[in-house]
Amino acid sequence: RKEVEQDPGPFNVPEGATVAFNCTYSNSASQSFFWYRQDCRKEPKLLMSVYSSGNEDGRFTAQLNRASQYISLLIRDSKLSDSATYLCVVSYNQGGKLIFGQGTELSVKP
Amino acid sequence: NAGVTQTPKFQVLKTGQSMTLQCAQDMNHNSMYWYRQDPGMGLRLIYYSASEGTTDKGEVPNGYNVSRLNKREFSLRLESAAPSQTSVYFCASSEGGGRVWPTEAFFGQGTRLTVV
Repeated sequence: RKEVEQDPGPFNVPEGATVAFNCTYSNSASQSFFWYRQDCRKEPKLLMSVYSSGNEDGRFTAQLNRASQYISLLIRDSKLSDSATYLCVVSYNQGGKLIFGQGTELSVKP
Repeated sequence: NAGVTQTPKFQVLKTGQSMTLQCAQDMNHNSMYWYRQDPGMGLRLIYYSASEGTTDKGEVPNGYNVSRLNKREFSLRLESAAPSQTSVYFCASSEGGGRVWPTEAFFGQGTRLTVV
């Protein structure tokens, strides 16, 4: 089993749709969680960190479920510019090990 | 601010050749990472370094060596390149390491390596 798993998609949605991504992780001791965005195999960039209480940034909402060991990302009112690959990232130890999921591709259509 | 700088950006090697990918960060981060990205595979961790003088294996370390030269620099060496090492390589850095859980990782622009 991979340490961090995501549905690779692709997710094809119309503009204005709401789309949700899930990511599961295997290490129950993990403490840091992130969602990254990657465009066309350029370098990944932080979309948002994921906090235990959940957090929201505009149209984006991230949730953490420690009991079930998964994190989620909800995108509301999708824009064409949201088309990208979304990567789930989990820290594995205090020594800094960061593991990525395989990414979920999102395509927003007019 | 330069952030994380990788060199070279592109490289073509013949099977069996060796090369070193260079990475430097100017954010005074403790942790540094090398990842490779293949189509449909996401980013896979090759090696990481939680602090100057320490390195640890990641998910796919075979065929690679690393050196944490100082706090700023973390290099990746391919001793005898193979076609299976054709990939995009990303270097990254973050705070954390030691007793501190890692925070946001910042990435270099990547090195596109082809082994023929």
